[in-house]
Amino acid sequence: LAKTTQPISMDSYEGQEVNITCSHNNIATNDYITWYQQFPSQGPRFIIQGYKTKVTNEVASLFIPADRKSSTLSLPRVSLSDTAVYYCLVGALGSGGYNKLIFGAGTRLAVHP
Amino acid sequence: EPEVTQTPSHQVTQMGQEVILRCVPISNHLYFYWYRQILGQKVEFLVSFYNNEISEKSEIFDDQFSVERPDGSNFTLKIRSTKLEDSAMYFCASSEAGGRTGYTFGSGTRLTVV
Repeated sequence: LAKTTQPISMDSYEGQEVNITCSHNNIATNDYITWYQQFPSQGPRFIIQGYKTKVTNEVASLFIPADRKSSTLSLPRVSLSDTAVYYCLVGALGSGGYNKLIFGAGTRLAVHP
Repeated sequence: EPEVTQTPSHQVTQMGQEVILRCVPISNHLYFYWYRQILGQKVEFLVSFYNNEISEKSEIFDDQFSVERPDGSNFTLKIRSTKLEDSAMYFCASSEAGGRTGYTFGSGTRLTVV
């Protein structure tokens, strides 16, 4: 499983766009990039997943450059409720489906009024 | 939106006692997992379960732990003889085949061993 590196913490203000970058230099050909969000005392929540280029959903965008050695989670116009820990995970999604998730320390995002 | 339901939300138990943590995964999901998070630490993988058997387990998941899907809807984690260091949030998760839509986690059970 590819090791990931992301900032320990970030601060932002309401209404701003937040970009959290994750490095995964040893990403393998079969690996996907997935981001989760976790609020205190709650389980992680799936945000977005991608393989290459750009993926967008109603919550966030995920930018993946051609070499796939990094990825950036973009949260548009954050609010106080986006204060959470964000995890970048890299791993293969095989047909077996039982690929365990390896969580790092994540990025603790604090959104201020 | 479908949810993974965990009960109880909090459990306090005495050291040495057995506990059973319960989970109801999303109905059409085939893959089930238990993770735990000790306060202030990372989320750690415990075990994955598919087709009524364990598909992978971590070093943490020793002989004190067991999982079961007793009735086709519930998925349980049993800790036979709890230790103080078992105190943690325990999260159940489920996924469709391949995890292509991500894994859905429950809200967790906070286990406190005293």
